Amino acid sequence: DAGVTQSPTHLIKTRGQHVTLRCSPISGHKSVSWYQQVLGQGPQFIFQYYEKEERGRGNFPDRFSARQFPNYSSELNVNALLLGDSALYLCASSLVPDRGGKNEQFFGPGTRLTVL
Amino acid sequence: AQKVTQAQTEISVVEKEDVTLDCVYETRDTTYYLFWYKQPPSGELVFLIRRNSFDEQNEISGRYSWNFQKSTSSFNFTITASQVVDSAVYFCALSEAPLGGGATNKLIFGTGTLLAVQP
Repeated sequence: DAGVTQSPTHLIKTRGQHVTLRCSPISGHKSVSWYQQVLGQGPQFIFQYYEKEERGRGNFPDRFSARQFPNYSSELNVNALLLGDSALYLCASSLVPDRGGKNEQFFGPGTRLTVL
Repeated sequence: AQKVTQAQTEISVVEKEDVTLDCVYETRDTTYYLFWYKQPPSGELVFLIRRNSFDEQNEISGRYSWNFQKSTSSFNFTITASQVVDSAVYFCALSEAPLGGGATNKLIFGTGTLLAVQP
């Protein structure tokens, strides 16, 4: 069975540009979460979506947005890119966003974004 | 506030040595979950273990073992007889059970410990 897939693998953008990252969850998983991992740090929670609805949002500016499609895949959009947005963006899927985290999250390989 | 602290930034050991990775967490909830993930150079986070706050039994899986102590808010991870393939960044994470509202299983990660196992 395929795991979580993300595209593209790598991306180079310049300041002020816009970027769209894509994620396909494990088949049967209905919840997708996005995390940002800056070099040398742990992943930071950005968004969680379930059944196309936003379930949670981390402490990120409005330049960051996301959505989930009927097939449960998801897009993360970042507008007006800053140098500080350079990071590994990780997508994770789980069956449902179960209270208490019983549903473990499975992570994709990530998209490495470099902003010049 | 929820927080996970991994005080060890880097650890270097020689193959076959035992190594313990420390994790200390902060939470006000009585129900929560703790996790360990492994991140090899490829970048993908690999799930290792989940523990809930009501289960303080230590767990062993092959060369891996975990020691959960609520009294000290710690969830330490030991690798016995380390191997070069164990070289990676290891993350400890916390997930809470929020009351009311929509459920979320978001993870709060520590800053990670880079483990280098030398042959």
